[in-house]
Amino acid sequence: SQQGEEDPQALSIQEGENATMNCSYKTSINNLQWYRQNSGRGLVHLILIRSNEREKHSGRLRVTLDTSKKSSSLLITASRAADTASYFCATGENAGNNRKLIWGLGTSLAVNP
Amino acid sequence: DAGVTQSPTHLIKTRGQQVTLRCSPKSGHDTVSWYQQALGQGPQFIFQYYEEEERQRGNFPDRFSGHQFPNYSSELNVNALLLGDSALYLCASSLGPKSSGANVLTFGAGSRLTVL
Repeated sequence: SQQGEEDPQALSIQEGENATMNCSYKTSINNLQWYRQNSGRGLVHLILIRSNEREKHSGRLRVTLDTSKKSSSLLITASRAADTASYFCATGENAGNNRKLIWGLGTSLAVNP
Repeated sequence: DAGVTQSPTHLIKTRGQQVTLRCSPKSGHDTVSWYQQALGQGPQFIFQYYEEEERQRGNFPDRFSGHQFPNYSSELNVNALLLGDSALYLCASSLGPKSSGANVLTFGAGSRLTVL
């Protein structure tokens, strides 16, 4: 089942611009993760933010989490052509040994040189 | 340090056939999850294996089955293939539920299945 809904579905920007993607979810979560997928390949973990955190940085990535609105955003600053990929959010639920992640549909990002 | 390896990378089958996909987890990981990803969609959770048992299952029919071996590697079997089974099948490994950390997944490159 899909829980996260990324917004926008597709985003096209110029190199050097910032890219912002949003993710909304429905249930109580333990953490929220962002993954990146290059065309037709496996997903790569980018960053994890826990439910008690509001903001986290990793290099050019900035993630925010608003649990009251059940939403998260991923900001990529100073984008590069190599950032072209699909970006997915995944939520980890609070359910004991339930370690299943629930995925959104993804945002397709195109960074034009 | 080897990551997650999957085989085969591509395969073509016809309707009604059976397929077996294989996955070796990242060194140190003991849990394997399988996902189906249709073109333009997000990953759909099929099931997760830990300690050689299926621990969780997504909304997939019994035609989808799996196995985990003592060395933590895993297989995904799909019987009676349908055209709609055409997809990228992703294997992801992680630390098991006894780990105190969050469930961060390491993915393989996937097996692209085409059913004709």
